[in-house]
Amino acid sequence: EVVLTQSPGTLSLSPGERATLSCRASQGVKYSYLAWYQQKPGQAPRLLIYGVSSRATGIPDRFSGSGSGTDFTLTISRLEPEDFAVYYCQQYGTSSTFGPGTKVDIK
Amino acid sequence: QVQLVQSGAEVRKPGASVKVSCKTSGYTFTTYAIHWVRRAPGQRPEWMGWINAANGNTEYSQRFQGRVTFTRDTSATTAYMELSSLRSEDTAIYYCAGDSLAADGQFFDYWGQGTLVTVSS
Repeated sequence: EVVLTQSPGTLSLSPGERATLSCRASQGVKYSYLAWYQQKPGQAPRLLIYGVSSRATGIPDRFSGSGSGTDFTLTISRLEPEDFAVYYCQQYGTSSTFGPGTKVDIK
Repeated sequence: QVQLVQSGAEVRKPGASVKVSCKTSGYTFTTYAIHWVRRAPGQRPEWMGWINAANGNTEYSQRFQGRVTFTRDTSATTAYMELSSLRSEDTAIYYCAGDSLAADGQFFDYWGQGTLVTVSS
């Protein structure tokens, strides 16, 4: 099983700041099949990024994804108030597994 | 717009079964797969498997093999997940999620709102 680790566990930032979230895989993610989701309390997850760096429909360009192999990054260039949430990475190259999440909260 | 609407919260005793529905609308049902993902309290999301809505083929995560069954009703554009031999560790929010069969890889464009299943004696 491909185990995903996310860091940090919690990121405390202010609106307007840049957020950098990390996702590391226990082995190489096949075909660059890596996605990112945002989840707010009481809501379903929302797809942000798929295929490492492709933004899903309707996702603002302040969200960007990068990386390869075992190391991936989600960057939010300037945090908006609605961006404070939990972010999960998912690999879907070998079955499907999720990371434990990074919580982005307001400093 | 695309919607996945799940059935309501359930409470079951250990050893029982539960069946959760996922009613879809806003797209052609047979162009998507439906996956099931659960998140237990304090745990990361866990993928349970998927059903191809076009042909009914299924794939189950090894963790749930033998205990979970996915079905679909194309006329009702609804998918179902049944989990049997429930134990307390199965207490979780269960989500259905849609994945375009035409997409390159299985990522989840659309999600249901989640169904809380509580297993307690």
